[in-house]
Amino acid sequence: DSGVTQTPKHLITATGQRVTLRCSPRSGDLSVYWYQQSLDQGLQFLIQYYNGEERAKGNILERFSAQQFPDLHSELNLSSLELGDSALYFCASSGVKGYTFGSGTRLTVV
Amino acid sequence: DQQVKQNSPSLSVQEGRISILNCDYTNSMFDYFLWYKKYPAEGPTFLISISSIKDKNEDGRFTVFLNKSAKHLSLHIVPSQPGDSAVYFCAASESSGAGSYQLTFGKGTKLSVIP
Repeated sequence: DSGVTQTPKHLITATGQRVTLRCSPRSGDLSVYWYQQSLDQGLQFLIQYYNGEERAKGNILERFSAQQFPDLHSELNLSSLELGDSALYFCASSGVKGYTFGSGTRLTVV
Repeated sequence: DQQVKQNSPSLSVQEGRISILNCDYTNSMFDYFLWYKKYPAEGPTFLISISSIKDKNEDGRFTVFLNKSAKHLSLHIVPSQPGDSAVYFCAASESSGAGSYQLTFGKGTKLSVIP
């Protein structure tokens, strides 16, 4: 158990819909990162939050947004979903104990 | 443009032999490199890392070598075991600290260790 909790594990939704993925970081970690892994692709960095503030942005679409709450959990919101958004979405957290990943949410857009 | 490249999508090795996974990078600002192992339906698990001030780091059966002039690193697993079968991702960062930094990943190499 990495200490990073992601829910739900699986999500199936239709094109055009909106979903929210949730991540609880490992205890003590202030940074949360979101990554996307599409078929045959490595993990692509989307966005990072540190103690509630956006710290860095990667290849995140405008249809996607995220936030980190005062209790440090984070949510990734994906809207106007397209077939190509089907992927594994990983959350990671980091702190003095290093960098660790959750087990991911598999999103399928049909 | 891919800044971290793993040019071998797959690798098969006999049990007991050495597995060598390769990774190349283009960004000279990267100063911290990591290898992650990933099983299906699980998140990536940290395996081993190396800072740019070193050229070798060893942890049990796993050794990572860094050649900064060639912008190349490799992961050696010896002896290879069937349980090592997984996808291995190379990752790089511009920060070597344990604090806040983003990782740039390669596309991964699927290692199959044949009993």
